[in-house]
Amino acid sequence: NAGVTQTPKFQVLKTGQSMTLQCAQDMNHNSMYWYRQDPGMGLRLIYYSASEGTTDKGEVPNGYNVSRLNKREFSLRLESAAPSQTSVYFCASSGKNSGANVLTFGAGSRLTVL
Amino acid sequence: GNSVTQMEGPVTLSEEAFLTINCTYTATGYPSLFWYVQYPGEGLQLLLKATKADDKGSNKGFEATYRKETTSFHLEKGSVQVSDSAVYFCALSDPSNTGKLIFGQGTTLQVKP
Repeated sequence: NAGVTQTPKFQVLKTGQSMTLQCAQDMNHNSMYWYRQDPGMGLRLIYYSASEGTTDKGEVPNGYNVSRLNKREFSLRLESAAPSQTSVYFCASSGKNSGANVLTFGAGSRLTVL
Repeated sequence: GNSVTQMEGPVTLSEEAFLTINCTYTATGYPSLFWYVQYPGEGLQLLLKATKADDKGSNKGFEATYRKETTSFHLEKGSVQVSDSAVYFCALSDPSNTGKLIFGQGTTLQVKP
């Protein structure tokens, strides 16, 4: 039972470089999410996708783009990385569990922008 | 808007001590409430949840009761273990029903032998 798989686990970029974080889930969930985690800030939603073919901005979307490639995959792209994007990124998907939408998270991707 | 406030950490306890981590929320409507736990180097895992007022969520000895009158969802455990050392996040479901969660800032728990 793989759940949610994210790659890469670690990445170091220079300012201005681009990269894509990949995420895949095998639970047949409709909704997927990208969060970032920063010390003292909790998790903040970057983008989400309520279903295949749709994406919407979350709380902190600036500097990011996403693609919902199919039901399983939801990628996050940084077109021109900035030091402020140094963070730990989590992908999640959600499904119903006893009447509530429960998120299942990946293990995280630690990104450092120099 | 909707928000979650947790007690500041870190919380440091000795093994077998009683744990309370406070969580209060501001929300429109009737959100579901959650506690997630993050062990070092890992992603977040659901610890427990409650979907309506007066519901009690429980798992692995942890409990939390959905209190609408005090807008609280405090996490408790009667006797903590070293293995409970982790970061704990309180969260509520966004009223848009898209499955989004709004998280508190997290509380780090350190349990010493």
